[in-house]
Amino acid sequence: GQQVMQIPQYQHVQEGEDFTTYCNSSTTLSNIQWYKQRPGGHPVFLIQLVKSGEVKKQKRLTFQFGEAKKNSSLHITATQTTDVGTYFCAGPSSSGNTPLVFGKGTRLSVIA
Amino acid sequence: DTGVSQNPRHKITKRGQNVTFRCDPISEHNRLYWYRQTLGQGPEFLTYFQNEAQLEKSRLLSDRFSAERPKGSFSTLEIQRTEQGDSAMYLCASSNGGFGNTIYFGEGSWLTVV
Repeated sequence: GQQVMQIPQYQHVQEGEDFTTYCNSSTTLSNIQWYKQRPGGHPVFLIQLVKSGEVKKQKRLTFQFGEAKKNSSLHITATQTTDVGTYFCAGPSSSGNTPLVFGKGTRLSVIA
Repeated sequence: DTGVSQNPRHKITKRGQNVTFRCDPISEHNRLYWYRQTLGQGPEFLTYFQNEAQLEKSRLLSDRFSAERPKGSFSTLEIQRTEQGDSAMYLCASSNGGFGNTIYFGEGSWLTVV
């Protein structure tokens, strides 16, 4: 079945440093979605990318969808303590006939 | 607009007991999903409904698990004869339309089986 892999599993950064997490799917995706889960919280939708090669920005967050629609990345510039949490990517298959499959996430810690 | 609501938020139960969780989705959403999440893992798909019809069940959903959405609105997830391995957060989510659309999660129901 479809698998979604994320690296790294954990990342510890000093406040102000940049952070990047990478997401790879075993199958082509119709779209990729990113979620953030704060410690003790639930996943909250951040963004959806649909087009091959698409890049979207939300303030200090930059999201990219690969040309082959099998990988994606999330980059945070100048991390802040409010960025702490686990970032998940998720996607349905290109056929669109499967529910969202989530990666295991990248847990970000920010040291002030 | 209220989001996805789940209750109870926390449940501690003895092994062998039955538990039931309830989910109230966003009102205009026709799809409702149940996911399970354990520590250090991403949400794992369990089952989903389109309106009142249960259209897919994961292999993770053993015979001890049953989900219903009787009127196409709220849903219940029942776990019978709980086992320690059932300890997890059970997340409900809803969406409008197909799998490509964004899903919105509730705050989850934490289950601890002792």
